[in-house]
Amino acid sequence: NAGVTQTPKFQVLKTGQSMTLQCAQDMNHEYMSWYRQDPGMGLRLIHYSVGAGITDQGEVPNGYNVSRSTTEDFPLRLLSAAPSQTSVYFCASSLKQMNTEAFFGQGTRLTVV
Amino acid sequence: SQQGEEDPQALSIQEGENATMNCSYKTSINNLQWYRQNSGRGLVHLILIRSNEREKHSGRLRVTLDTSKKSSSLLITASRAADTASYFCATVPSGSARQLTFGSGTQLTVLP
Repeated sequence: NAGVTQTPKFQVLKTGQSMTLQCAQDMNHEYMSWYRQDPGMGLRLIHYSVGAGITDQGEVPNGYNVSRSTTEDFPLRLLSAAPSQTSVYFCASSLKQMNTEAFFGQGTRLTVV
Repeated sequence: SQQGEEDPQALSIQEGENATMNCSYKTSINNLQWYRQNSGRGLVHLILIRSNEREKHSGRLRVTLDTSKKSSSLLITASRAADTASYFCATVPSGSARQLTFGSGTQLTVLP
């Protein structure tokens, strides 16, 4: 049972480039979400999904897009990378919304130069 | 904005001692959760306490919740060097279970 898998683990982008961070879970969880973690701060919610075909914005959605075409996958797209998007990104899933524990991936460390 | 704020920001103790971390939050909640993050790793769920509960135990962990004061505490008893990590509280607001909002965390160092 792999849990939540994020790829890549590390990525360096140039300003203006686009890329997709991948997230997959094999627990048949309805709820998936993306967070970013900056030094000295807790995690901040970017986007979340309560099921296939349903997505919504979190606290810091600007510059990011998501889609949820399957229950298993929830990719995060950076449209035009900026240095302010340098951060560690975490994907999480839970069985049904946030009334149960969340399972986190190992994170993607992104640097935008 | 951060819903939960942990106190202290950093805590250093000797192995075998107890560690207490506090969390305050601003709005009514459905539940409050505590997570641990080892350096360079993802978060691991420790315990969930619902708004109608006052205390929960899990192994060496004890969590209390005081909804009148909008605060929670996490107690780790008989700490071990392996408990060295960052600890975060996270809240789910009343009326909506769609968002989990994290505090800024407490960095715990347990010295052998």
